[in-house]
Amino acid sequence: EPEVTQTPSHQVTQMGQEVILRCVPISNHLYFYWYRQILGQKVEFLVSFYNNEISEKSEIFDDQFSVERPDGSNFTLKIRSTKLEDSAMYFCASSYSDTQYFGPGTRLTVL
Amino acid sequence: GNSVTQMEGPVTLSEEAFLTINCTYTATGYPSLFWYVQYPGEGLQLLLKATKADDKGSNKGFEATYRKETTSFHLEKGSVQVSDSAVYFCALRAQAAGNKLTFGGGTRVLVKP
Repeated sequence: EPEVTQTPSHQVTQMGQEVILRCVPISNHLYFYWYRQILGQKVEFLVSFYNNEISEKSEIFDDQFSVERPDGSNFTLKIRSTKLEDSAMYFCASSYSDTQYFGPGTRLTVL
Repeated sequence: GNSVTQMEGPVTLSEEAFLTINCTYTATGYPSLFWYVQYPGEGLQLLLKATKADDKGSNKGFEATYRKETTSFHLEKGSVQVSDSAVYFCALRAQAAGNKLTFGGGTRVLVKP
């Protein structure tokens, strides 16, 4: 069964550094998403992406964040200058219609 | 705005017990409703969904019925197994809110042998 994959599974970085989280969505899906879950809190929507552009973003997704689909398979989330409060589990998801399929997540730890 | 409220856990049960996890929502229009499950060390997996009032979603012995009159989507399983130990998330996708999912806080379930 096709699945969403994410790399790395765990990323440790210093405050102020740039990080890129990578995702490979399911191949025939058209919509791509990033969510995050700070430890002990709800899963929160960050951004959705369709037809090579952002279709929706939350107030969390400020200028420090960007997304890209650099080729036909990868979908990336970049955080330009990480803050301590960016420490969270980041989930990528993809969908063809209304059902979103999630990857296993990348745990980002900012020191 | 849209929101989902779930009962707080952890919920601890013995094997073969009946499980109910309450979920209520606030949304404009007619949202689609989902239950996702997160097993230890893994990502979110879709468990079941319902897209309109009175629909019943079911999978792996779990069921949930979309109740518009009570704005609820409670998850039930008649006889749990140790392997059902996980965190369960209720979520909605509102018509007027694009494709994004709004999640509840998650309910941790621990099933003891």
